[in-house]
Amino acid sequence: AQRVTQPEKLLSVFKGAPVELKCNYSYSGSPELFWYVQYSRQRLQLLLRHISRESIKGFTADLNKGETSFHLKKPFAQEEDSAMYYCALMGERYSGAGSYQLTFGKGTKLSVIP
Amino acid sequence: KAGVTQTPRYLIKTRGQQVTLSCSPISGHRSVSWYQQTPGQGLQFLFEYFSETQRNKGNFPGRFSGRQFSNSRSEMNVSTLELGDSALYLCASSSDRGGYNSPLHFGNGTRLTVT
Repeated sequence: AQRVTQPEKLLSVFKGAPVELKCNYSYSGSPELFWYVQYSRQRLQLLLRHISRESIKGFTADLNKGETSFHLKKPFAQEEDSAMYYCALMGERYSGAGSYQLTFGKGTKLSVIP
Repeated sequence: KAGVTQTPRYLIKTRGQQVTLSCSPISGHRSVSWYQQTPGQGLQFLFEYFSETQRNKGNFPGRFSGRQFSNSRSEMNVSTLELGDSALYLCASSSDRGGYNSPLHFGNGTRLTVT
């Protein structure tokens, strides 16, 4: 079974402070990991993918296989970063079956205080 | 490119009724996935269709069903509605299965309220 855990429902930080949104996963194989974001009154959208090792809007995420974590980080929070953030894992539902499923964590609401 | 379009945006139904939700994917996308979003459970996978075939199914009762048409448009049906079915239903399209090379593009959702 695959599982994604985001331990914080709500995270409040001051503008300019560092941000770390935690994500832990459980999966027996090599997962594909994502962060999706939902800004107020907007649709859920992809923020970044692990494989790209990209920095989007100043956010980065590093996969730590030993700790099975994929935390999202940004050195200096901006007010426009306030949103709901979802960590997601794409994995094979049943070994060898070729049946894949994208599993989401329950999300963390980031609030950046001006 | 037009985004994923879901209709209707809002629905109010009575317990025991059935409902059909519609999703038009981004042009060229052949995979359509459905998710149920609630405050308590977050985003839960319902099913995924690819080229008119159901490729994956989540752990929902048989009252939840779907289909995909030859133009990739998809419908989701819920029969014998229960109060617990009240949720935001999200549709997402992708070129393949939603992995690294084909991330999901979401619609705005259909807000279903069962009274």
